[in-house]
Amino acid sequence: NAGVTQTPKFRVLKTGQSMTLLCAQDMNHEYMYWYRQDPGMGLRLIHYSVGEGTTAKGEVPDGYNVSRLKKQNFLLGLESAAPSQTSVYFCASSYGEDYGYTFGSGTRLTVV
Amino acid sequence: KNQVEQSPQSLIILEGKNCTLQCNYTVSPFSNLRWYKQDTGRGPVSLTIMTFSENTKSNGRYTATLDADTKQSSLHITASQLSDSASYICVVSAWGSYIPTFGRGTSLIVHP
Repeated sequence: NAGVTQTPKFRVLKTGQSMTLLCAQDMNHEYMYWYRQDPGMGLRLIHYSVGEGTTAKGEVPDGYNVSRLKKQNFLLGLESAAPSQTSVYFCASSYGEDYGYTFGSGTRLTVV
Repeated sequence: KNQVEQSPQSLIILEGKNCTLQCNYTVSPFSNLRWYKQDTGRGPVSLTIMTFSENTKSNGRYTATLDADTKQSSLHITASQLSDSASYICVVSAWGSYIPTFGRGTSLIVHP
């Protein structure tokens, strides 16, 4: 059972480039989330989805877009990368709000 | 504004000793409180989740307590091991919100 798988694990982008981070879960979870983690700060929610075909904004959505075309996948897109988006990105999934999250191992993104 | 404050920010203990980490929150209306363990370079892993009616929950050597009246929680680690070295994160959710509030974590180092 793989749990939550994130790809890629590392990436370096130049300012202005675009990229997509992929999150896949095999636990049949309804809810999926994208977080970013920066030094000295708690995890901050970027976007989330409560089911296939649905997406919603979290605390820090600017500069990011998401899609949930299939229940098991949640994609995070950066349209025009900026140095402020240098961070570690975590995907998570859960059965619902009263359940714990299962997190992926993270994607370390550097924008130069 | 919903807030979660964790203390201490960092803690160093000797292997075999016990320790207690604190979490104070102002999230309202309260739904649940979760504790996660995050090893360096990995995603957080769920330790416990407690709702309003629960005041203690254990997971092996980890025991979490919740006082919903004072809005405080603690995570007690018994007979610490080197593998307990990690960041411990408190997360509090409010009813009707899909955006939980994360604390900044307590960094625990266990020395042999």
